[in-house]
Amino acid sequence: EVQLVESGGGLVQPGRSLRLSCAASGFTFDDYAMHWVRQAPGKGLEWVSGISWNSGSIGYADSVKGRFTISRDNAKNSLYLQMNSLRAEDTALYYCAKSASYGYEYYFDYWGQGTLVTVSS
Amino acid sequence: EIVLTQSPGTLSLSPGERATLSCRASQSVSSSYLAWYQQKPGQAPRLLIYGASSRATGIPDRFSGSGSGTDFTLTISRLEPEDFAVYYCQQYGSSPPHTFGQGTKLEIK
Repeated sequence: EVQLVESGGGLVQPGRSLRLSCAASGFTFDDYAMHWVRQAPGKGLEWVSGISWNSGSIGYADSVKGRFTISRDNAKNSLYLQMNSLRAEDTALYYCAKSASYGYEYYFDYWGQGTLVTVSS
Repeated sequence: EIVLTQSPGTLSLSPGERATLSCRASQSVSSSYLAWYQQKPGQAPRLLIYGASSRATGIPDRFSGSGSGTDFTLTISRLEPEDFAVYYCQQYGSSPPHTFGQGTKLEIK
């Protein structure tokens, strides 16, 4: 059974940093691209970032480019999102999602339950 | 960037009825790289349809997807109580690779 468990969320002041983690199990992690998708309270889904199976291809939404960094550790079956210079508009539930293939261009076939990030003074 | 517009914003129907949800793209979606997701309150999204018309594993056959180019449709042939949720379309494969529609809320009439 595929499981994706996010952690690292919390309350943080504007301008500060936070690092999210996603622990994956139930599939061969290094065969698949992975993503972060966020959902602001009461709003829709927004793709944040994706990373290919070998970290060779990485993409970011314009809204986070230059502030967020996605990475993965295939030896630890883990995905990360380093979030710097956080803004109030980054407040959201952050989901870890598995790509259906090795490239990050594909749809998401499994999602975690999310970790909540609140940016407020 | 491809913008996806879903309609209607809210759809009020009764169990047993047929639901038709629309997703229109601002430009052609390559290779029908269009997916649909279902999200219930307090839950993560679940993949229903990929490639515009292929059902994901374990999805009942009352869910079907169709369309190509800029116009896509999700049809639920006969609504069950558990189908009332928010539905999102997503395009993938272009650059930037992932955009979502704003969602359609399917509510019980």
